[in-house]
Amino acid sequence: GQNIDQPTEMTATEGAIVQINCTYQTSGFNGLFWYQQHAGEAPTFLSYNVLDGLEEKGRFSSFLSRSKGYSYLLLKELQMKDSASYLCAVYSGAGSYQLTFGKGTKLSVIP
Amino acid sequence: DTGVSQNPRHKITKRGQNVTFRCDPISEHNRLYWYRQTLGQGPEFLTYFQNEAQLEKSRLLSDRFSAERPKGSFSTLEIQRTEQGDSAMYLCASTPRGGAGEAFFGQGTRLTVV
Repeated sequence: GQNIDQPTEMTATEGAIVQINCTYQTSGFNGLFWYQQHAGEAPTFLSYNVLDGLEEKGRFSSFLSRSKGYSYLLLKELQMKDSASYLCAVYSGAGSYQLTFGKGTKLSVIP
Repeated sequence: DTGVSQNPRHKITKRGQNVTFRCDPISEHNRLYWYRQTLGQGPEFLTYFQNEAQLEKSRLLSDRFSAERPKGSFSTLEIQRTEQGDSAMYLCASTPRGGAGEAFFGQGTRLTVV
């Protein structure tokens, strides 16, 4: 089976740093993705990790530990526009092309 | 690049009616996906096309759901005899040849069954 867990909600202050965790248990693993989704809008791609370690892209970084089934998304210098849901998704591969998504973490950035 | 386009954006239908949604992927993308998303949940996979071939279907996809992608371009998703439980956002996504998960999503079609 596929199981992806992430916190339901988080609140952080403008200008601060926030870490959103994701743990997964899947039948296969060929990469982990983070997506951002503003209310009523489509998910947009943020990052992709397939090897262990940290991937940095501007204010956003994503970390993966395959042995622990764990990833996090780090958002620095938070801005009000970062208020959104953040979705963790796993690509299992092995003949399947689907992404399995977690339920998403709703981040609220407050002044 | 106009992105992934979905029509209609909103659809309200009575229970028991049939509905059809359309997705136009990014033109050079050969892989197309349909997902369904309900409030407070992540997108849930429905089906996948590579060019015109439907290569994967979720076990959650009942017989009332059918999807096509004639000529490997746009795709349609039809729901027959709609039920209130079908109310959701239906998202289409496409990826380029060789792409795995860096999917580009459309704005979705929000279906409300009354």
